[in-house]
Amino acid sequence: SQKIEQNSEALNIQEGKTATLTCNYTNYSPAYLQWYRQDPGRGPVFLLLIRENEKEKRKERLKVTFDTTLKQSLFHITASQPADSATYLCALEDYGQNFVFGPGTRLSVLP
Amino acid sequence: EAQVTQNPRYLITVTGKKLTVTCSQNMNHEYMSWYRQDPGLGLRQIYYSMNVEVTDKGDVPEGYKVSRKEKRNFPLILESPSPNQTSLYFCASSPRTGALNTEAFFGQGTRLTVV
Repeated sequence: SQKIEQNSEALNIQEGKTATLTCNYTNYSPAYLQWYRQDPGRGPVFLLLIRENEKEKRKERLKVTFDTTLKQSLFHITASQPADSATYLCALEDYGQNFVFGPGTRLSVLP
Repeated sequence: EAQVTQNPRYLITVTGKKLTVTCSQNMNHEYMSWYRQDPGLGLRQIYYSMNVEVTDKGDVPEGYKVSRKEKRNFPLILESPSPNQTSLYFCASSPRTGALNTEAFFGQGTRLTVV
């Protein structure tokens, strides 16, 4: 069956460090993968999209990698700040051309 | 301003009383979807629609209905709500079907309590 997993339900890191979140998928062959940020009680907000032919994508302090052989995407936040504390979701398109989300990782950046 | 608008934001209702949560987008998007979110379970898709008059079940469709009579609107209908449908609901839209390689836009959420 198709499945999306994100490395851990919760991740705590110290301010200034790099946070690394993992998204693994099975039985998908996505042409691209997306990352979203969700704050409590609010809808997810799009952050980055990476295509299957791109190894890496950057946006300010964010970096995403995509390894279609490993079926994995890594999401990095460098120089993390308490304001980066949120839940981060990965998303991709399934075989029915539907949009599916991973369960999310709740990141807490401690001052 | 480009947006997805859900109404109401908060709703408390009684078991068995039919209700509709509206969702409207002003971006001419083809794809729309409904999710529910419960603690520890993440976003679970209820129904989605690739275009007008085209809808399909997501992972948790039982107890819900949808319709897509026009492009901008995608209402979620609970014919006979039950307490296990108490949840936070999100509507989302995206520009393209097929190669959905652009972002999804989410509404602000509807917190539903069924007593």
